[in-house]
Amino acid sequence: DTTVKQNPRYKLARVGKPVNLICSQTMNHDTMYWYQKKPNQAPKLLLFYYDKILNREADTFEKFQSSRPNNSFCSLYIGSAGLEYSAMYLCASSATGFNQDTQYFGPGTRLLVL
Amino acid sequence: GDSVTQKQGQVTLSEDDFLFINCTYSTTTYPTLFWYVQYPGQGPQLLLKVTTANNKGISRGFEATYDKGTTSFHLQKASVQESDSAVYFCALVMSNYNVLYFGSGTKLTVEP
Repeated sequence: DTTVKQNPRYKLARVGKPVNLICSQTMNHDTMYWYQKKPNQAPKLLLFYYDKILNREADTFEKFQSSRPNNSFCSLYIGSAGLEYSAMYLCASSATGFNQDTQYFGPGTRLLVL
Repeated sequence: GDSVTQKQGQVTLSEDDFLFINCTYSTTTYPTLFWYVQYPGQGPQLLLKVTTANNKGISRGFEATYDKGTTSFHLQKASVQESDSAVYFCALVMSNYNVLYFGSGTKLTVEP
């Protein structure tokens, strides 16, 4: 099973309120990623977990938090949503090793901030 | 820095037409290159990948050739079908953690 699941699929949030998005995978992948996708733009990496180590992109360092309580789950947390956070959020997972570089994506969570 | 460029935002074809989607990349080394396809309501999924070792990837009738000289990785298909309608992303991976750098995507619409 190469399924990555994301919850919720759609999220409506108010400006200034927190948002928590969930991702899960059962492939025992050591790395999980979060991307932000806006219309007509490339998916942009926000952060990733390699095992228990969190790596955040420099330009989004202060905007997003994440946790990975176990190998299967990873969350993306926005402490105070702004209008600019409206986007599709894609979670992916991957096994890192020789000739293992495919990322498996979930269906995404569409976040709308009003 | 590393980047991937897809200039064609949208492509509309008829069934059995030839498909060509342009992708160029910029990096200081020789990365592994990917094409991901995203169907409506789904996340991106791997279509094909090419490394410096094999130079060409083929999958489901699609093919892409790694051209180090022109730093290009164009996607082609001889005869598209309506079911090929989707968004196609070119991407490269650079780090040890399989981090992907994506192009902005090309939305392909195939009309019957």
